[in-house]
Amino acid sequence: GENVEQHPSTLSVQEGDSAVIKCTYSDSASNYFPWYKQELGKRPQLIIDIRSNVGEKKDQRIAVTLNKTAKHFSLHITETQPEDSAVYFCAASDNQGGKLIFGQGTELSVKP
Amino acid sequence: DAGVIQSPRHEVTEMGQEVTLRCKPISGHDYLFWYRQTMMRGLELLIYFNNNVPIDDSGMPEDRFSAKMPNASFSTLKIQPSEPRDSAVYFCASSYTGGATDTQYFGPGTRLTVL
Repeated sequence: GENVEQHPSTLSVQEGDSAVIKCTYSDSASNYFPWYKQELGKRPQLIIDIRSNVGEKKDQRIAVTLNKTAKHFSLHITETQPEDSAVYFCAASDNQGGKLIFGQGTELSVKP
Repeated sequence: DAGVIQSPRHEVTEMGQEVTLRCKPISGHDYLFWYRQTMMRGLELLIYFNNNVPIDDSGMPEDRFSAKMPNASFSTLKIQPSEPRDSAVYFCASSYTGGATDTQYFGPGTRLTVL
């Protein structure tokens, strides 16, 4: 089955800097890659996703890139703000109809 | 839509007691997922249903855990008997795979503490 590895586990940046979180997956048949943000004590919420027929997707300060050959995808946050501080999870579709395999999470801290 | 609804939001119980967690998915969604989140193990998929039928329960830790989905708008996760190591946040999520994406929408979670 699918396995998703996420790095780093913690990331600390200064406000205004960029943050990059990377994930690798094992199943070449996976075709859907969402990113979730989870604030302390809250539920995970989707912030951006990408399908395998697209190499990059952008939404304001957030972008995701996908390299299908290397089987890795990344989340890029530019001009970070303190409210970006949260745990971020990547995930990959196991191609079994709706099932997602999540990475271990990255705790992002943005220092003012 | 109110989103995914879970109850209770918090549950404190004693070891050996039965615990039942409840979930109402978003109307029209055909998949329902139960996750457990702990610091040590992260976000784990326990079981998921498609059109009320359990598809994959390989993540259920042991026989003390069981889940049902009697209809499209209700699911339960039961732990009997509960143990302190079951303390975690349990999330329910639902998705609609007939749309453009397989986005899973999470409920607010149930924080379970077993003493």
